[in-house]
Amino acid sequence: QPVLTQPPSASASLGASVTLTCTLSSGYSNYNVDWYQQRPGKGPRFVMRVGTGGIVGSKGDGIPDRFSVLGSGLNRYLTIKNIQEEDESDYHCGADHGSGSNFVVVFGGGTKLTVL
Amino acid sequence: EVQLVESGGGLVQPGGSLRLSCVASGFTFSSYWMRWVRQAPGKGLVWVSRINSEGSSTSYADSVKGRFTISRDNAKKTLSLQMNSLRAEDTAMYYCVRVAPRQLVPDYWGQGTLVSVSS
Repeated sequence: QPVLTQPPSASASLGASVTLTCTLSSGYSNYNVDWYQQRPGKGPRFVMRVGTGGIVGSKGDGIPDRFSVLGSGLNRYLTIKNIQEEDESDYHCGADHGSGSNFVVVFGGGTKLTVL
Repeated sequence: EVQLVESGGGLVQPGGSLRLSCVASGFTFSSYWMRWVRQAPGKGLVWVSRINSEGSSTSYADSVKGRFTISRDNAKKTLSLQMNSLRAEDTAMYYCVRVAPRQLVPDYWGQGTLVSVSS
């Protein structure tokens, strides 16, 4: 099964842009990844799914146009433009693997985004 | 408006049992696969289990296989997780997750219910 790797922290200034990275382990370059936003004390919120061709399907409800994704090789990127205070959150990536009794979901360790 | 409201969490001793529930509203519950995902305090997300829309197919993480049972009552729009033989490492916030049918996207999460396993 794949392993997803995320840097533990990132920071960006108000109004700037930031790109968060989720890296799949070798051999899983064709996998889609789901991005989630988790504000302090809240449950995760689906942002969007990304594959090598970019977004897969639709964004989550209420996700602003400032959020976009890109996929390249083993990397799945989430870019946030014109960062706002409410974007300060933990960002998780996850991926489905297998089927039936062998199905699992794997998650990265999460990236804590600080808005300066 | 889609809502997933979990309940049933609490403090339980090691070896004890707990049953979590998730009541769904705002969508046709019987058409959606569902999942449970947990998050230990200060840690990342960990998938626990999933169930298909009819309740006839289930999957579990190795860490809970044989101890946890996922089920659903479509008439009552309720997802459940029966947790037996609880361990300290099961301590976590447990989230109920809806999976959209078209692309199996986990598109809505509840606010969670906290399970603490301690003597």
